[in-house]
Amino acid sequence: GQQVMQIPQYQHVQEGEDFTTYCNSSTTLSNIQWYKQRPGGHPVFLIQLVKSGEVKKQKRLTFQFGEAKKNSSLHITATQTTDVGTYFCAPTNTGGFKTIFGAGTRLFVKA
Amino acid sequence: DTAVSQTPKYLVTQMGNDKSIKCEQNLGHDTMYWYKQDSKKFLKIMFSYNNKELIINETVPNRFSPKSPDKAHLNLHINSLELGDSAVYFCASSPRVGSGYEGQFFGPGTRLTVL
Repeated sequence: GQQVMQIPQYQHVQEGEDFTTYCNSSTTLSNIQWYKQRPGGHPVFLIQLVKSGEVKKQKRLTFQFGEAKKNSSLHITATQTTDVGTYFCAPTNTGGFKTIFGAGTRLFVKA
Repeated sequence: DTAVSQTPKYLVTQMGNDKSIKCEQNLGHDTMYWYKQDSKKFLKIMFSYNNKELIINETVPNRFSPKSPDKAHLNLHINSLELGDSAVYFCASSPRVGSGYEGQFFGPGTRLTVL
């Protein structure tokens, strides 16, 4: 079945440093979603990428979908303590009813 | 107003018991889901329902029985609870596929502890 590998598993940064998490698949993805889960909280939808090579920005967050639609990345510029949490990539199958979550990257930000 | 609500928030019970978790969404979404998040934070889909019909059953033991009385509700009943069922269970909903917004809205989660 469709699976994604997400790296790194953990990332510790100093506040103000940049952060990137990567999501890789062995198969072509129809789309990919990104979610953020704060400690003790629930996943919150951030964005969906659909097109090959797509780049979307949300303030300090930049999301990319690879040209081959097999990988994706989330980059945070100048991290803040509010960015702390686990970031999940999650491709959805073509029918749209099944979303497979990556293992997540847990981000720690030191003030 | 809470978009996706779950009850109870915490559930502590003995092995072998039967328990239910309720989920309601007031977003008018067509699709609802149950996910299990284990202690290592892996988030795994269990069931997907679309307009009260079961679409996805991810090889979940038949001790788990979802029920959708209407489009806004998706409950989860678990029989003969086992230690390995301890986890956080999240309910989620999303609009109709193809509506242009595909993100899922998650409930706050139900932390189930089986002793």
